[in-house]
Amino acid sequence: AQTVTQSQPEMSVQEAETVTLSCTYDTSESDYYLFWYKQPPSRQMILVIRQEAYKQQNATENRFSVNFQKAAKSFSLKISDSQLGDAAMYFCAWCGGGSEKLVFGKGTKLTVNP
Amino acid sequence: GAGVSQTPSNKVTEKGKYVELRCDPISGHTALYWYRQSLGQGPEFLIYFQGTGAADDSGLPNDRFFAVRPEGSVSTLKIQRTERGDSAVYLCASSSTSAPYEQYFGPGTRLTVT
Repeated sequence: AQTVTQSQPEMSVQEAETVTLSCTYDTSESDYYLFWYKQPPSRQMILVIRQEAYKQQNATENRFSVNFQKAAKSFSLKISDSQLGDAAMYFCAWCGGGSEKLVFGKGTKLTVNP
Repeated sequence: GAGVSQTPSNKVTEKGKYVELRCDPISGHTALYWYRQSLGQGPEFLIYFQGTGAADDSGLPNDRFFAVRPEGSVSTLKIQRTERGDSAVYLCASSSTSAPYEQYFGPGTRLTVT
C-alpha cells in the first residue's frame, strides 16, 4: 500500500521569508502524481501545486515550488516570500497506479509570524 | 463558476441515528469522491464515483456506510446506526475527465455523534 509521510507536524516562518515543508512517500508504482493541498481553518482543501512523476522538471506556481526527487521518493514544498495568508495546514498527497483516490499525509501546520 | 458544495455544514446526531450528507459537485465533473478527515489527521478515502456507478468503494469502513449518485451529479453519503467513532469531517471532491487527477474539494460536513 502507498504511504505518505510528513515528518514536520508544525513549522513557522517569518513573513517575507522562505520555508520548506517536507514529504516522503512509498510506492512501487511508476506512474503517479503528487500534490500539495492547503487547508485553512475554513476546512476547504485548496490545491496548491501538482507534479507528474514522469516529468523531471519541478513544478512551480508563483511563490510555490517543489523539489521532486523521484529516486529518493521525496516531494518538498517551498514557499517563498511567505504571507500571512499562507498560514494553514498543508497536506502532501499521492495518486496513481490506475486509481484516482488520493492518499494523504498527516499534514504540517504552518504558522506565519508578522 | 460554483465550486463543490456540501450540506449540511455541521450535523449533530445521537448515537444510533441515521444521517445523510449531501455533495453537489462542480457542474460537468464526472468523478466524485468522498473522504473522511478525523481530528489531527489527513483525509482518508471512502468511495469514488465515475458517473452513476461506484468505481471504488474500498475505503468504506463497514456496511453501515453507503453512498449513492443516482443521476451522475449530486451524491449522498448515508450512515446507519451512527457511532461516536464516526465523528469527523466528511469531505467531498470532484474532478473532470480532462484533468482526472485534479480534485476540487468542498468545505466539508462536520459530523458529531453524541
